[in-house]
Amino acid sequence: QQQVKQSPQSLIVQKGGISIINCAYENTAFDYFPWYQQFPGKGPALLIAIRPDVSEKKEGRFTISFNKSAKQFSLHIMDSQPGDSATYFCAASVASGANNLFFGTGTRLTVIP
Amino acid sequence: DTAVSQTPKYLVTQMGNDKSIKCEQNLGHDTMYWYKQDSKKFLKIMFSYNNKELIINETVPNRFSPKSPDKAHLNLHINSLELGDSAVYFCASSPERGAVTDTQYFGPGTRLTVL
Repeated sequence: QQQVKQSPQSLIVQKGGISIINCAYENTAFDYFPWYQQFPGKGPALLIAIRPDVSEKKEGRFTISFNKSAKQFSLHIMDSQPGDSATYFCAASVASGANNLFFGTGTRLTVIP
Repeated sequence: DTAVSQTPKYLVTQMGNDKSIKCEQNLGHDTMYWYKQDSKKFLKIMFSYNNKELIINETVPNRFSPKSPDKAHLNLHINSLELGDSAVYFCASSPERGAVTDTQYFGPGTRLTVL
């Protein structure tokens, strides 16, 4: 079964707008929540990651919000740019264990100039 | 200077054949992984491996087998290829299983097409 659920499947945002992608999980053993960015023909690349001991992490225009009690986390992309157009995957793992990443189904983001 | 590399980038083969995909990392990492990305872009873990332990996703058919000649390499062997094996296969590596820094670095992928 899908261990990490992601929405929306696709997202279209105007340049300068805010892109928001949401994920939810069930396994309370997960202790590491990364977001990956994938451009066509390329491998996924780590964008930003968070651990459940903090509720928010910000790196430049990218912010992860984490709600441990709700078992949800989200990616916010501020001032979205056409260069941000890519597929975004949330993921979760038990980093203290096998560290196998369980990915969400991906969100295809298109930023319109 | 490539961190995680895979060869070949594209692989087209007939059903029933046996093929291998090679993966090499020059990051000095202890743990390597194989993921499968299907036509719907869904990424799924197949294996994780370090010099101590192989963890296999139970849903992976035993036609798939990882082989590691040394710490920097984890090759994927696939026997008796089937149409449903067509996908993009990604290799990844991370510093150490269970470490604080557990970022996984992905290779560029190998697109396998089974005819």
